[in-house]
Amino acid sequence: DVVLTQSPLSLPVTLGQPASISCRSSERLVHSDGNTYLNWFHQRPGQAPRRLIYRISNRDSGVPDRFSGSGSGTDFTLKIGRVEAEDVGVYYCMQGTYWPPTFGQGTKLEVK
Amino acid sequence: EVPLVESGGGLVQPGGSLRLSCAASGFNFSRYWMHWVRQVPGKGLVWVSRINSDGSSTSYADSVEGRFTISRDNAKNTLYLEMNGLRVEDTAIYYCNAQFDPWGQGTLVTVSS
Repeated sequence: DVVLTQSPLSLPVTLGQPASISCRSSERLVHSDGNTYLNWFHQRPGQAPRRLIYRISNRDSGVPDRFSGSGSGTDFTLKIGRVEAEDVGVYYCMQGTYWPPTFGQGTKLEVK
Repeated sequence: EVPLVESGGGLVQPGGSLRLSCAASGFNFSRYWMHWVRQVPGKGLVWVSRINSDGSSTSYADSVEGRFTISRDNAKNTLYLEMNGLRVEDTAIYYCNAQFDPWGQGTLVTVSS
């Protein structure tokens, strides 16, 4: 299975400051159809995950534009422009290029 | 309106069975591939199974292959997960989702004697 390694695992951030999470894959995530199926999810405490970003950099409906995704090949990044209180929780990257789909181990964002 | 609502979780003894349901509303359920993902409380997300839009194709994680069966009834807008031969390590919150967006709120399955 493809292994996704996130860093850092814990991310203390001051409100209003930027944050960045890295996701590295054990395989290049370019599908034979030319797309790269790398998604980002956010899970607030006690809630279900919610997808924020699909195919590296496309924001889902309703996702604030302070969230952005980038990367290619095996290295991907989720950036939050200015962290707000509602952004706390755990962030996961996920690849859908290879079966089975796999998730990173999660990065816990907390407010300092 | 909540698009996906899971039910059917609970406490079961090792070796027992459960059937989870996931009721969909507010979107064209029959056009989406559907997935089950589980999460041990406090731990990460693990993909379990998927089914294509008309139910003709399924796949499973190695850890549940041969014990779990995914199915759907597009007339009832409902997804199912039949779980047999349950093990302690199957204890988790089970989430359904429609191509990973949206997700249901999850249902807790506890396997314990």
